[in-house]
Amino acid sequence: EDKVVQSPLSLVVHEGDTVTLNCSYEVTNFRSLLWYKQEKKAPTFLFMLTSSGIEKKSGRLSSILDKKELFSILNITATQTGDSAIYLCAVMEYGNKLVFGAGTILRVKS
Amino acid sequence: DVKVTQSSRYLVKRTGEKVFLECVQDMDHENMFWYRQDPGLGLRLIYFSYDVKMKEKGDIPEGYSVSREKKERFSLILESASTNQTSMYLCASSWSTGGEKLFFGSGTQLSVL
Repeated sequence: EDKVVQSPLSLVVHEGDTVTLNCSYEVTNFRSLLWYKQEKKAPTFLFMLTSSGIEKKSGRLSSILDKKELFSILNITATQTGDSAIYLCAVMEYGNKLVFGAGTILRVKS
Repeated sequence: DVKVTQSSRYLVKRTGEKVFLECVQDMDHENMFWYRQDPGLGLRLIYFSYDVKMKEKGDIPEGYSVSREKKERFSLILESASTNQTSMYLCASSWSTGGEKLFFGSGTQLSVL
């Protein structure tokens, strides 16, 4: 059965800390891996990764994929209270099927 | 800006009622999806549709049906609501090519009493 496992399930840090969120996967026909941020209700797209070893970066957030070891990490440097959210990892299989992990709840304290 | 609109933010229904959740997108997306989100379980796919009048079962379709009569609208139907269908329901849409990037609605928190 296809699965996506995120860790940790929840995390509390202080402003300015750096955090690393993990996502491992087992899917049959991998096409891409995506990260979403969910504040309040609607998840919003962060990154899509398709190739191993190529870092995607957006401001203080970055992500990288390892297709050999079947995992991805999402790094957030110099965290701010506005980074508090649920971070969702999802893997797209051929056939447009997205499999989501359970998410990591991040809380950044001021 | 892509907009995916779900008709209700909060909904309270009684066991056995028929429930309609509506979703409308304004970007001419071919693909539309219904997920439910429960704590510790993440998002689970209920149904999806690649085109008008087409539908495919997701991972947890039991107890649900869908309707897509127009390209912009995808409805989720709970034929006879049960308490275990209390959940957050999220609608999403995407283009047929590069369809990985989903655009989500704000969700409907459904409580079945």
